Amino acid sequence: GNSVTQMEGPVTLSEEAFLTINCTYTATGYPSLFWYVQYPGEGLQLLLKATKADDKGSNKGFEATYRKETTSFHLEKGSVQVSDSAVYFCALKGSNNDMRFGAGTRLTVKP
Amino acid sequence: GAVVSQHPSWVICKSGTSVKIECRSLDFQATTMFWYRQFPKQSLMLMATSNEGSKATYEQGVEKDKFLINHASLTLSTLTVTSAHPEDSSFYICSARNYRGRNYNEQFFGPGTRLTVL
Repeated sequence: GNSVTQMEGPVTLSEEAFLTINCTYTATGYPSLFWYVQYPGEGLQLLLKATKADDKGSNKGFEATYRKETTSFHLEKGSVQVSDSAVYFCALKGSNNDMRFGAGTRLTVKP
Repeated sequence: GAVVSQHPSWVICKSGTSVKIECRSLDFQATTMFWYRQFPKQSLMLMATSNEGSKATYEQGVEKDKFLINHASLTLSTLTVTSAHPEDSSFYICSARNYRGRNYNEQFFGPGTRLTVL
């Protein structure tokens, strides 16, 4: 079945550092890929998405490129801020529309 | 953007009682709503998929008599945790799928409901 594997956390960075959170997937067909962010005590918010190979999703300085050849959708940001501290989930939606989530990566950004 | 609300945002109850959680799509109609459970520091686990006007489809290992789901309209689904016990304590998140408009077929998530069973 479809699945998502993402980098284990926690990740702790200093403000303005470069962020990469790795995400790889296994799926049949052509899934859509997502990154969601969860702030403490809140539900998930869509951060960015890509629906086909080579698409790049971007939002709030975050980017991720759908790489079919490596089945990856790594999340990057060039300069993180304290306000980026949250848990980040990689997810895919398969042809049957079911969502599958990675385990989540907790990011803490220190001033 | 599309907004999904949940009520209550948190609830504390005694063991053996039942708790109802509401999930509403505020500005769109959702033919399908999903219920997830999230344990501390873990990912979301899909519990069931709820289609308006029909019975919910439960994931393997989820007790349908324990977690009653009703999706009576295109904007409301409810999850009732019956005879709750401490092991049911968790963060419950719903999502709704928009079936028309600009974000067709995208899932929108509610803010979650934290259930604590004493």
